[in-house]
Amino acid sequence: QKEVEQNSGPLSVPEGAIASLNCTYSDRGSQSFFWYRQYSGKSPELIMSIYSNGDKEDGRFTAQLNKASQYVSLLIRDSQPSDSATYLCAVGTGNQFYFGTGTSLTVIP
Amino acid sequence: DAGITQSPRYKITETGRQVTLMCHQTWSHSYMFWYRQDLGHGLRLIYYSAAADITDKGEVPDGYVVSRSKTENFPLTLESATRSQTSVYFCASSEASGSADTQYFGPGTRLTVL
Repeated sequence: QKEVEQNSGPLSVPEGAIASLNCTYSDRGSQSFFWYRQYSGKSPELIMSIYSNGDKEDGRFTAQLNKASQYVSLLIRDSQPSDSATYLCAVGTGNQFYFGTGTSLTVIP
Repeated sequence: DAGITQSPRYKITETGRQVTLMCHQTWSHSYMFWYRQDLGHGLRLIYYSAAADITDKGEVPDGYVVSRSKTENFPLTLESATRSQTSVYFCASSEASGSADTQYFGPGTRLTVL
């Protein structure tokens, strides 16, 4: 059984702070890693994808991957109230994605 | 450009009835997926399809049937609905290999089985 673990939160940060979201996975053969954002009652939408060890930055978002530690994280800089959502970590293996249960983030104005 | 659509958006049915959830995408993506999302379990893959007439089981396929006669459509059928199948169902698609490429999600169908 392939597992993807996330700290479920809820995580609360003040506006303007850095939010740090973490994810670990069990399958060393995993090839691709994604962060999705899901607002309440809505469908998941892609924020970042990362395939190689290291950091990948896109605007206020930075994804970090460490395959040796089987760990992927998402940093959100200058957090805004509109970032309040559930963040889903997805790990790709073979033809399938495996999702974590999500971390609920609240950004307090 | 509609992207990926699901119908119905909300459905209430009774135990034992057959229910079909529809998924349609306009991108000509090869891969399509069905997930269910439940509190405490996150998104779990039910079935996926790599192309027309090619389908495969995911993590939780029991009680569900899929077909894919056309690239753009991927219906999910609950042959005899049970209360445990009450959930939010998401369809997704991706252009290339299922785990290497971004998956784009439809708006979801909220299904209640009484």
